[in-house]
Amino acid sequence: KAGVTQTPRYLIKTRGQQVTLSCSPISGHRSVSWYQQTPGQGLQFLFEYFSETQRNKGNFPGRFSGRQFSNSRSEMNVSTLELGDSALYLCASSYGGRVREAFFGQGTRLTVV
Amino acid sequence: AQSVTQPDIHITVSEGASLELRCNYSYGATPYLFWYVQSPGQGLQLLLKYFSGDTLVQGIKGFEAEFKRSQSSFNLRKPSVHWSDAAEYFCAVGAGDGNKLVFGAGTILRVKS
Repeated sequence: KAGVTQTPRYLIKTRGQQVTLSCSPISGHRSVSWYQQTPGQGLQFLFEYFSETQRNKGNFPGRFSGRQFSNSRSEMNVSTLELGDSALYLCASSYGGRVREAFFGQGTRLTVV
Repeated sequence: AQSVTQPDIHITVSEGASLELRCNYSYGATPYLFWYVQSPGQGLQLLLKYFSGDTLVQGIKGFEAEFKRSQSSFNLRKPSVHWSDAAEYFCAVGAGDGNKLVFGAGTILRVKS
């Protein structure tokens, strides 16, 4: 069974640009969550999508958005990039429903210059 | 609000020695608890989880954890550490409905030969 796939693995963007990250969950999983990991703030929850609907949202500005498609694949978008957005963005896939174990992808390393 | 505390930022143990990583959580209801491990530049791998039932749970790679409700703790243990266990370890609590996880700050494990 294939794991969680995140693309791209690495990105370098310039301040003010926007970026889109992609996540393909494990087959049959309907929940996709996104996390930001930085040395200073650690792992922070961005949002969760379940059956194409945002179910939970973390405390991030509106520049961070996401969506989920009918095949459960998810994308997150960050607009007007700031230097502080440089981070490892991790996607987690879960079967859905009540809290269950989440399986993480390898992450996308975003560097904003 | 849910929170997780990992009091030890770094721990160094000798290869073959036993290991205990501490985790304390704050959560009003019955918690869903997890331990993840992360190697540098990689995603998170689930080591073990606690949902209910037996308070001593077994995981992969020879790890186990014990849930103690009276102490709000979920400490990770391994009887004999291998050099390949060197990584960062995260404790997490499932927060409310859905699959949102709240993570601790992590403990970096170093293994000396």
